[in-house]
Amino acid sequence: EAGVAQSPRYKIIEKRQSVAFWCNPISGHATLYWYQQILGQGPKLLIQFQNNGVVDDSQLPKDRFSAERLKGVDSTLKIQPAKLEDSAVYLCASSLRLSGANEKLFFGSGTQLSVL
Amino acid sequence: AQSVTQLDSQVPVFEEAPVELRCNYSSSVSVYLFWYVQYPNQGLQLLLKYLSGSTLVKGINGFEAEFNKSQTSFHLRKPSVHISDTAEYFCAVSSGYALNFGKGTSLLVTP
Repeated sequence: EAGVAQSPRYKIIEKRQSVAFWCNPISGHATLYWYQQILGQGPKLLIQFQNNGVVDDSQLPKDRFSAERLKGVDSTLKIQPAKLEDSAVYLCASSLRLSGANEKLFFGSGTQLSVL
Repeated sequence: AQSVTQLDSQVPVFEEAPVELRCNYSSSVSVYLFWYVQYPNQGLQLLLKYLSGSTLVKGINGFEAEFNKSQTSFHLRKPSVHISDTAEYFCAVSSGYALNFGKGTSLLVTP
C-alpha cells in the first residue's frame, strides 16, 4: 500500500516569496490534514479536510496561508508571502474517515521549508 | 481544550537499558492518548494509543504505556532499548478529532 506522498522534500525561499506544497493521501482516505512542525516543537494542526470540505482551519494564518483539496483527493498548501517564522516542516496526513479515537492517521515524510 | 507536556526534551540511554519517556496531559473532558514515533527522515508512526479499558497499553516494538487518570499521565516505557529505537517520540491527546501534540522527546540510544 502506497503511503502519503508529499513534494517537494525540501524548499528554500527568501522572505516575501511564495511557496506551495503538494500532498497526495492514501487512496480512498476521506480525511486530509496539514500540520506545521517548527524545530523543537510538536506538530500543530493547520487545516483538516473531509473530502473537499474544510472541517477545521481555526489555526491557519489565513492572511498568508491557503489550502485547497479539489476533487477531494490531493491537496495543496500555499504560503504567500512567506515570513521567517514560517520555516518549519509541513506534514500531510490522511485517515480513512473523519478522525475519531479509532481512526489511524498516516503521515507523509514532510516538506522542510527554510525561509531566508 | 487539551494540552500535553512532555517533561524531557532529550533522554540519553545505553543500549539494553530500560527507558521511560514522560507525558502529562490536561483536559476538561475525556481524552484519548497516543504516542507517535518519528525516525530520522521518516513520517510519524503510531506506537500505541489509549482509548478506554485497561490502563496498560502495549504497542509496537516492545513499547508500552500506562494511563494514570489521577496523575493525568501517560508515560511510555520499554524494558530494554535498542540502537534502532533512537528517534523523536511525541505524546498526543485528542477529544475525538484533531490531535494535539507535545513538543517531543528525543531518545538517543548509545552502545
